[in-house]
Amino acid sequence: KNEVEQSPQNLTAQEGEFITINCSYSVGISALHWLQQHPGGGIVSLFMLSSGKKKHGRLIATINIQEKHSSLHITASHPRDSAVYICAGLKWTKTSYDKVIFGPGTSLSVIP
Amino acid sequence: DAGVIQSPRHEVTEMGQEVTLRCKPISGHNSLFWYRQTMMRGLELLIYFNNNVPIDDSGMPEDRFSAKMPNASFSTLKIQPSEPRDSAVYFCASTTNRNNEQFFGPGTRLTVL
Repeated sequence: KNEVEQSPQNLTAQEGEFITINCSYSVGISALHWLQQHPGGGIVSLFMLSSGKKKHGRLIATINIQEKHSSLHITASHPRDSAVYICAGLKWTKTSYDKVIFGPGTSLSVIP
Repeated sequence: DAGVIQSPRHEVTEMGQEVTLRCKPISGHNSLFWYRQTMMRGLELLIYFNNNVPIDDSGMPEDRFSAKMPNASFSTLKIQPSEPRDSAVYFCASTTNRNNEQFFGPGTRLTVL
């Protein structure tokens, strides 16, 4: 079982729809990083959170530590939101640093 | 701030050649990571430096791969000799110890023919 899992793997939405991408993680992961990668592009950090909720524009990220679950929401989706969204967990290692464990990514396509 | 800078952005080489990828982290960041991304395996950590010292190199595939960080503002990832299976996008990322939010460079797309 992967330490960080995401669902769905692929998602197609109509412009304007509310989108939710889910991430579940295993014991030992202390914080989550949500990343965005556009086709052929670099990786952009969206959020880093270890508790509660964060909001930036139309993006909202939440985390439930007890359930080891995080969600990324996009309100009023737009075609420019089309990208791969990656959930990455931080796990403390024996070499005394937070190693990033990447989820498989969710490919989002927003259709006009 | 210019962000994390990587060069070259694209590299095409022939099998057996030496390849050197370069990274300049964000000024003030003392942690640097090299990642590799492929369709099959996604993003994988290759090596992690803290204060210019390699801390975790467990992800380095084999002896053909080596990485150095001679100072706080520069790191290299070298593949010698290169093989077609090394074709991937290689990302460099940096962060501070405090908040751990990593900032990624634009990546180097390597193609080994």
